[in-house]
Amino acid sequence: DIQMTQSPSTLSASVGDRVTITCRASQSISTWLAWYQQKPGKAPKFLIYKASNLDSGVPSRFSGSGSGTEFTLTISSLQPDDFATYYCQQYNSYSLTFGGGTKVEIK
Amino acid sequence: QVQLVQSGAEAKKPGASVKVSCKASGDTFSNYAMHWVRQAPGQRLEWMGWINADNDNTKYPQKFQGRVTITRDTSASTVYMELSGLRSEDTAVYYCATDSSGYYWSGFFDLWGRGTLVSVSS
Repeated sequence: DIQMTQSPSTLSASVGDRVTITCRASQSISTWLAWYQQKPGKAPKFLIYKASNLDSGVPSRFSGSGSGTEFTLTISSLQPDDFATYYCQQYNSYSLTFGGGTKVEIK
Repeated sequence: QVQLVQSGAEAKKPGASVKVSCKASGDTFSNYAMHWVRQAPGQRLEWMGWINADNDNTKYPQKFQGRVTITRDTSASTVYMELSGLRSEDTAVYYCATDSSGYYWSGFFDLWGRGTLVSVSS
C-alpha cells in the first residue's frame, strides 16, 4: 500500500494566519490526491480533488498544490470555522489510503 | 439533495459479526457507487471497500479480504457493510461515503454518512 505522511500532526494558529499542511506519499501518485476536513464527532467533509481542484462551495481561501510525492493544503486566512483536523487521501491505486491527519488548533 | 442515513450504534462480542446499513434519501439511489471507511478512536481514516452502482462489483483492500462484505439492496435504496470475526481493534466509527464518480470509481468521496459506532468488547 501507498503510505501517506502528513506534517505537522498539530498546528497552532490564529484567526487570519496563513496555514500550510504538507502531505507526502511513499511513491509517486501523480495528482491523485484529495483533502478532507473533519471536526470532532462529525463525518469528514470533502474539500479538494486531483490535488488542486476545490469541491463546489469550498471557500477560495483553501487551495491545494503538488504532484508526485509532495502536496500541500493552504488556508490563506484562517477563519474560526477552519479549526479542525485535515486529512489527505491518495487514489492512485485501488487500495485507498489516508494520511494521519493534521489538527489545526487555536493558538 | 442526497443524504446518507446510517444504522444505529452496535455493541458486539469478540468473534461476532456486525452489519451496518446506509440508506440514501433524496435522489435516485441506484446511481451511486459507495465506499466504507472506518475510524478507530484517535486513529486515521481507513478504507474498507467499495461497491459500484449497478452490477455489484466490489473491491476490498487486502487487510479486509475475507472479513468484509459490501452488498446493496436497490429496492430498499440501501448499502450494507458486514464485518465478521470482530475483535477489540474493530471498535470504530464506520462511515459510508459516495464515490464522486456517482456510478463507478473515482477513488475519492464526496458525500459522507454521519457514522455508526461499533464497539467490540467481551
